[in-house]
Amino acid sequence: NAGVTQTPKFQVLKTGQSMTLQCAQDMNHEYMSWYRQDPGMGLRLIHYSVGAGITDQGEVPNGYNVSRSTTEDFPLRLLSAAPSQTSVYFCASSYSSSGGRELFFGEGSRLTVL
Amino acid sequence: GNSVTQMEGPVTLSEEAFLTINCTYTATGYPSLFWYVQYPGEGLQLLLKATKADDKGSNKGFEATYRKETTSFHLEKGSVQVSDSAVYFCALMNYGGSQGNLIFGKGTKLSVKP
Repeated sequence: NAGVTQTPKFQVLKTGQSMTLQCAQDMNHEYMSWYRQDPGMGLRLIHYSVGAGITDQGEVPNGYNVSRSTTEDFPLRLLSAAPSQTSVYFCASSYSSSGGRELFFGEGSRLTVL
Repeated sequence: GNSVTQMEGPVTLSEEAFLTINCTYTATGYPSLFWYVQYPGEGLQLLLKATKADDKGSNKGFEATYRKETTSFHLEKGSVQVSDSAVYFCALMNYGGSQGNLIFGKGTKLSVKP
């Protein structure tokens, strides 16, 4: 059982380049989300989805796009990377969007923008 | 709005010492409260949770009690081990819809020395 799988684990970009961080889960979870982790800031929510075809913005959505065409996949797109997007990105999923539920996290993707 | 404040680290303890990591929250209604742990190089994983006032969450020797009167959810362990070295995040989740997202504190790094 793979759980939440993120690729790539490491990536270096130049300013202005685009890329997609992939996230896939094999637990048939309805809810998926993307967080970024920065030193001294904890984890901040970028975008989330409560089901296929439904996405919404979190706390820090600017510069990122998402889509949810299938239950399993929730890619995060950076259209024009900026140094401020240097961070560790985590994808997380859960079986529903109701309160009190556990989120399952991927191992993270470390992105450096030069 | 909803927010979580936890004690800043790093915290360094000797093996078998008593651990307390303070966490307080601000939220509307009655959120669920969580502690997540991040071991070096890994994603976050749920350590324990409590979904209503006076509930005690416990796991692996760690405990935390949901105190509505003091809006707190402090993490404790009676005797820490070197293997407990990690970053600990306090988090809250309100119920449903756009509020059904985890909001994290900034994290507390714990180092346990032999």
